[in-house]
Amino acid sequence: DVKVTQSSRYLVKRTGEKVFLECVQDMDHENMFWYRQDPGLGLRLIYFSYDVKMKEKGDIPEGYSVSREKKERFSLILESASTNQTSMYLCASTQLLGNTIYFGEGSWLTVV
Amino acid sequence: GENVEQHPSTLSVQEGDSAVIKCTYSDSASNYFPWYKQELGKGPQLIIDIRSNVGEKKDQRIAVTLNKTAKHFSLHITETQPEDSAVYFCAASTGGSYIPTFGRGTSLIVHP
Repeated sequence: DVKVTQSSRYLVKRTGEKVFLECVQDMDHENMFWYRQDPGLGLRLIYFSYDVKMKEKGDIPEGYSVSREKKERFSLILESASTNQTSMYLCASTQLLGNTIYFGEGSWLTVV
Repeated sequence: GENVEQHPSTLSVQEGDSAVIKCTYSDSASNYFPWYKQELGKGPQLIIDIRSNVGEKKDQRIAVTLNKTAKHFSLHITETQPEDSAVYFCAASTGGSYIPTFGRGTSLIVHP
């Protein structure tokens, strides 16, 4: 089975802190994604990566950056966390030209 | 770009009843339509998908229908059970783009 692992399930951070959310997939997938999920807004794409060191902005990239130094790992970075970034963050991956997306369990971030 | 509308946002049924969730999409080039189920505290998981060369697909109690002319597709769950309670997301994507556009989700509540 494909496994997408988000190492931090629940985090509480202070405004202005730098936050790292880590994601690892074990199926050698080319593409990886970070989504943000908020009630009533569904899944909104923050960034995606189609190869190591490659990244593309999604629909809501402001306030976020990403890093993909290895194929299996995709990190989401909040340079200076703000309260409006309190949310659930989902990492996902898919094969190149494949369509099924595999999600991690999610990381709940609270910024106080 | 693609736009996916999903209705209803909340659906409450009695155990044993059927449930139908509907989605419409805007891009006639879309040819892959997955459905994801998200249980409380977990990431979304693929439950069924359909491609544009098929009008209907069934898997036990769930089925998906696609009307390409009208650009809509639906998820049907028969004989609902309390464990069907979850948030369901539809999505649409084209063969040339592996990034799906998601609907905003439907919260299905099955009352015992």
